[in-house]
Amino acid sequence: GAVVSQHPSRVICKSGTSVKIECRSLDFQATTMFWYRQFPKQSLMLMATSNEGSKATYEQGVEKDKFLINHASLTLSTLTVTSAHPEDSSFYICSARATGFAGPYNEQFFGPGTRLTVL
Amino acid sequence: EDKVVQSPLSLVVHEGDTVTLNCSYEVTNFRSLLWYKQEKKAPTFLFMLTSSGIEKKSGRLSSILDKKELFSILNITATQTGDSAIYLCAVNYSGGGADGLTFGKGTHLIIQP
Repeated sequence: GAVVSQHPSRVICKSGTSVKIECRSLDFQATTMFWYRQFPKQSLMLMATSNEGSKATYEQGVEKDKFLINHASLTLSTLTVTSAHPEDSSFYICSARATGFAGPYNEQFFGPGTRLTVL
Repeated sequence: EDKVVQSPLSLVVHEGDTVTLNCSYEVTNFRSLLWYKQEKKAPTFLFMLTSSGIEKKSGRLSSILDKKELFSILNITATQTGDSAIYLCAVNYSGGGADGLTFGKGTHLIIQP
């Protein structure tokens, strides 16, 4: 149980285009999902917290108009990188915290990540 | 200023050795500290620690938290090549990203045959 998927796993796009990344909890409901970004040889950095049915909470320095987050259901959150530029190239990872899951407090289950390359 | 500091940043040992990875943190309203193992893709969960002095153990891995001194260690005994990975320490605290995790830079562990 507690499987989180991401789609796509890898995407290459041209500068100026928008890219949507999906994060799904496959066998549990997640009222809260998190989006992280990881640059090469660096650790994960929290970008935003996505709550089902409400606006996302963004970390300081993350542009909410550039990284659009939608958490429309208890099993799906999407991150859209708008007008992507080469500096947005990174590894984007989502995680989900289960609702009512019999696990440790705040255990987050991570998706496999999406490698974004902007040319 | 980094809130979660891991050391060493990289470590190379031989198979069979025992390693100790360190994680110190400086946050207020601490809730929990988590250890993850990251290989090629997303991190996989190892341990979550909330109380001081209680060792968590899973096979050859163990971890303990000292809330007074604000640090945790992750021990791996009888290391194997499959233990090679980046080990990430993360802290959850009130005010820290609305329940998101704040990660350290990780320790890149390499186990040589």
